[in-house]
Amino acid sequence: KQEVTQIPAALSVPEGENLVLNCSFTDSAIYNLQWFRQDPGKGLTSLLLIQSSQREQTSGRLNASLDKSSGRSTLYIAASQPGDSATYLCAVRRYNNNDMRFGAGTRLTVKP
Amino acid sequence: DTEVTQTPKHLVMGMTNKKSLKCEQHMGHRAMYWYKQKAKKPPELMFVYSYEKLSINESVPSRFSPECPNSSLLNLHLHALQPEDSALYLCASSWGGGPSYNEQFFGPGTRLTVL
Repeated sequence: KQEVTQIPAALSVPEGENLVLNCSFTDSAIYNLQWFRQDPGKGLTSLLLIQSSQREQTSGRLNASLDKSSGRSTLYIAASQPGDSATYLCAVRRYNNNDMRFGAGTRLTVKP
Repeated sequence: DTEVTQTPKHLVMGMTNKKSLKCEQHMGHRAMYWYKQKAKKPPELMFVYSYEKLSINESVPSRFSPECPNSSLLNLHLHALQPEDSALYLCASSWGGGPSYNEQFFGPGTRLTVL
């Protein structure tokens, strides 16, 4: 069974700092990996999707990498802002399957 | 239109009530999902519909009954729920099937409280 782990569980940084969030998964037979952002009590906002054949994806200040063989993905946030404060979740999709497994998330606080 | 909508936003119900949650998308997606999310926990998959057929049921109790009337709509019928079923219920959609992009888009959720 696929297990997804996110470290750290919580992170607090000053505004302007660059930071890295980590996601690891136990079964490398994945179809894709998706990073989401969730504000308290809200739904999930898709940030980046990496297909299993890709190594990284970029969107603005965000960069996500994928190393399928080692079962790891990272989300890099450049020049963090207070508005980036939220919980960040990664989710992996089994190969050719609609089942997605989520990590427990990293709760990020960016202080002004 | 890249939006998944869910109604109602909040729902309070007693253990003997029957209610329904609704989800709608107009992106032409053919896969739709129900997730349950407890406070400070990740979403847990409940059901997946692919091309309007139930493809995944994660051993969810029968007091939760999904329905997919057409490719744009997804319902979750609730009956005889327990207080521990109180949670945020999230709907999502994606293109579904085959070697497609399969990015999931989520709705804002329905906050359910069972008294």
